[in-house]
Amino acid sequence: EVQLVESGGGLVQPGGSLRLSCAVSGFTFSNYAMHWVRQAPGKGLEYVSAINANGSSTHYADSVEGRFTISRDNSKNTLYLQMGSLTAEDMAVYYCARDRGTVPADFEYWGQGTLVSVSS
Amino acid sequence: QTVVTQEPSVTVSPGGTVTLTCASSTGAVTSGHYPNWFQQRPGQAPRALIYRTDKKHFWTPARFSGSLVGGKAALTLSGVLPEDEADYYCLLYYGGDYLRVFGGGTKLTVL
Repeated sequence: EVQLVESGGGLVQPGGSLRLSCAVSGFTFSNYAMHWVRQAPGKGLEYVSAINANGSSTHYADSVEGRFTISRDNSKNTLYLQMGSLTAEDMAVYYCARDRGTVPADFEYWGQGTLVSVSS
Repeated sequence: QTVVTQEPSVTVSPGGTVTLTCASSTGAVTSGHYPNWFQQRPGQAPRALIYRTDKKHFWTPARFSGSLVGGKAALTLSGVLPEDEADYYCLLYYGGDYLRVFGGGTKLTVL
């Protein structure tokens, strides 16, 4: 069974940093591209970042470019999102999702999400 | 800035048929935008329904179908069930560097 479990969310002060993790199981992690998507309270989905299967290529939405870094450790079956210079606009549930292939193209499986709160 | 537009809300009767659409501010949506559709029930994570315009995941019920209609991506639900009440989001791809944009979502009410 494919499983994606996010962790690392919590309360952080404005300007602070946080690292999210997405631990996967049930498939060969190194064969699939991965995505991060977020959803602010009561709002729609926002695309955040993507990484290809071997980690050599990444992409970021303009809203997080230069502040967030996506990475993966294929030996640990884990996807990461390092977030910095956080503001209230970054407060959201963050979901990781698996693609159908090695290059980001089509979403398939989603995790249950982890909540990031930004407040002083 | 690229904007993807969906109907904010749609109401359908049980057993009825409804089509949700997804438009791009850049012009007609084509298969090259790799349209994806997702369902999100209240309090749950999103679930993928359709990819590459009209391809279904193995878990996607047969009553859901994807297409291109009038320059937009479309998601049609036939024989709507009460459990289909949810928010539906489309996602479009805009070429190089994996740029993707979600639509604002459509709240489907089954009444």
